[in-house]
Amino acid sequence: QVQLQESGPGLVKPSGTLSLTCAVSGGSISSISWWSWVRQPPGKGLEWIGEIDPGGNTNYNSPLKSRVTILVDKSENQFSLKLSSVTAADTAVYYCASGGIRFRPGYWGQGTPVTVSS
Amino acid sequence: EVVLTQSPGTLSLSPGERATLSCRASQSVSSTYLAWYQQKPGQAPRLLIYGATIRATGIPDRFSGSGSGTDFTLTISRLEPEDFAVYYCQQYGTSPLTFGGGTKVDIK
Repeated sequence: QVQLQESGPGLVKPSGTLSLTCAVSGGSISSISWWSWVRQPPGKGLEWIGEIDPGGNTNYNSPLKSRVTILVDKSENQFSLKLSSVTAADTAVYYCASGGIRFRPGYWGQGTPVTVSS
Repeated sequence: EVVLTQSPGTLSLSPGERATLSCRASQSVSSTYLAWYQQKPGQAPRLLIYGATIRATGIPDRFSGSGSGTDFTLTISRLEPEDFAVYYCQQYGTSPLTFGGGTKVDIK
């Protein structure tokens, strides 16, 4: 059974960079075609951030594209998210998940809350 | 971008009743790429249905999905106490992947 676990700082200063990692256990990261990051602001709905395949190909949601970088590290069986120039509007619970565009969803991490505040 | 509109916003029902949740897309979505999730407070979304009609592993058969084109439905045949939650639809056929705004099923 594949499990995902997000990790990273829970507090980021405005204009700084949010950095999170998603560790994949119970299976190889190469066994699933696409992996995604999704976020949920407090009390609101879900927003897809972007996706990556084990080869490092990425697709990003347009409103965030200029600030987002998603990378994969097959040797560590994990993938990561960097979001630059953060503001309070980036405060959310961040989830990593399996699946992406035209690839069925499946596994989700438990989510990690990130607050942008000075 | 495919906009998904869920209705109603809130559904107040009693245990044992049938719940019918709607998800309408702004443009046609292939049935292959429509999913439903359940989310409880403080928890991650839980995949219920993918491919519009296929139950995910371990999901009870009281949950069923149907629909095609722009209109999709999640039905819970008989509500159990643990089913009171927020439900989201998602399309994953077109970039960007998008979610509906959610339907809250609460206890009447």
